[in-house]
Amino acid sequence: GAVVSQHPSRVICKSGTSVKIECRSLDFQATTMFWYRQFPKQSLMLMATSNEGSKATYEQGVEKDKFLINHASLTLSTLTVTSAHPEDSSFYICSARDQARATYEQYFGPGTRLTVT
Amino acid sequence: QQPVQSPQAVILREGEDAVINCSSSKALYSVHWYRQKHGEAPVFLMILLKGGEQKGHEKISASFNEKKQQSSLYLTASQLSYSGTYFCGTTHILTGGGNKLTFGTGTQLKVEL
Repeated sequence: GAVVSQHPSRVICKSGTSVKIECRSLDFQATTMFWYRQFPKQSLMLMATSNEGSKATYEQGVEKDKFLINHASLTLSTLTVTSAHPEDSSFYICSARDQARATYEQYFGPGTRLTVT
Repeated sequence: QQPVQSPQAVILREGEDAVINCSSSKALYSVHWYRQKHGEAPVFLMILLKGGEQKGHEKISASFNEKKQQSSLYLTASQLSYSGTYFCGTTHILTGGGNKLTFGTGTQLKVEL
């Protein structure tokens, strides 16, 4: 149980285009999901907290107009990188917590590697 | 501010033990430990909560010193499969604990034959 999927696993796009990444909790409901970005050989940096039915909360320094987050259902959150540039190339990972469990662990998706050319 | 982990990197021979430390500048509510293999997502190992300790695996255990704002992960009788980068993730009292994780700087661990 507690499986999180992400799609796509890899994407290459041209500079200036937009890319949408999906994060799904497959066997549990998640009112809150998280989006992280990880550059090579670095730690995971939280970008934003996605809340079902309301606006996402962005971390300091993350442009909310560039990284659009939508959490339309209890099992799906999407991250859209708008007008992507080469510096946006990174490993994007989502996570979710099973709200029905009395534990605190977050379950991570397999990640999406974005390359902007 | 990001929790600091030590050591940054460690190489072990199979069967040896290791300790990875995680130190925070903020009062901790919980500490989560993850292992990440190259190109993959982090895998949950265990969580330690303020006022208690929760062990996730037989040969991997952890401690949580609330006063020192530190946690340590203990790997005993290491196996080749233990290789990867270990991250601690912390939640903080000032943010009400909750869900928001701040990940540490990471420790690269390599187990060799």
